[in-house]
Amino acid sequence: DAKTTQPPSMDCAEGRAANLPCNHSTISGNEYVYWYRQIHSQGPQYIIHGLKNNETNEMASLIITEDRKSSTLILPHATLRDTAVYYCIVRAPRETSGSRLTFGEGTQLTVNP
Amino acid sequence: NAGVTQTPKFQVLKTGQSMTLQCAQDMNHEYMSWYRQDPGMGLRLIHYSVGAGITDQGEVPNGYNVSRSTTEDFPLRLLSAAPSQTSVYFCASNPRGSGSGTDTQYFGPGTRLTVL
Repeated sequence: DAKTTQPPSMDCAEGRAANLPCNHSTISGNEYVYWYRQIHSQGPQYIIHGLKNNETNEMASLIITEDRKSSTLILPHATLRDTAVYYCIVRAPRETSGSRLTFGEGTQLTVNP
Repeated sequence: NAGVTQTPKFQVLKTGQSMTLQCAQDMNHEYMSWYRQDPGMGLRLIHYSVGAGITDQGEVPNGYNVSRSTTEDFPLRLLSAAPSQTSVYFCASNPRGSGSGTDTQYFGPGTRLTVL
C-alpha cells in the first residue's frame, strides 16, 4: 500500500468548507484512496473513497488530481461535529487476504465556532 | 441493522486475568478485524478473519487469540492480561467483493480496557 502524508492539524471556521489534503505520490494504478474519520472516543467512520474520478456523497467530496499523486477531502459546510481526526488511506482491493487497513496519524481537524 | 456491536464498553482487569471481548455484526459481512488504539496513536491491527473458520494475525497479535465459528461473531480473547494491553479495542467488519468496496469498513463503538 502506498504511503500517505497528511498535515498533523488544521483549523476551519464553522460553516466554511474544510479542505483536507493528502499526498500519495507512490500510488499504483489499482490503488484506491479511502478517507475515514474518528471523532473523539468513537470508532472510525468511513467517509468516501475513489480511484481516479472525483466522488461526492452526502458527507463529503473527494478530489483526486489527474496524476493521482494527491487528493483533497472537502467538507462543504463544516460543523462543530466534524471536529475529528481524518485519515487518508491508499490501498488496492484484495479479494482473499481480508481488509488490513493501515491507519497513519491523520489530520486533526478542529472546527471553530 | 445494529451494525457492529461490542461488549463490554468498559473493563478493568488485574494482571494475569483472562477475558473475552465480544464483537458481533448483523450485516452478513465476511471480513472482520480487531484493532487496538493506544492514547494519541493510530489503530493497529491485532487479528482478522476472511470468513467463518479462517483467521490470521495482524501487526500485534501476541497475547491475543481469536476464533470465528460464525459469520456474525468474532470474539477476541486476552489470555493473561498485562498492563501493556491497556488500550481501546475496536472491532470492524466489511463485505467481501470485487472492485472498490472491500475496504469500506464499519467499526464498532469500542471497548476501553484497563489492566492494573
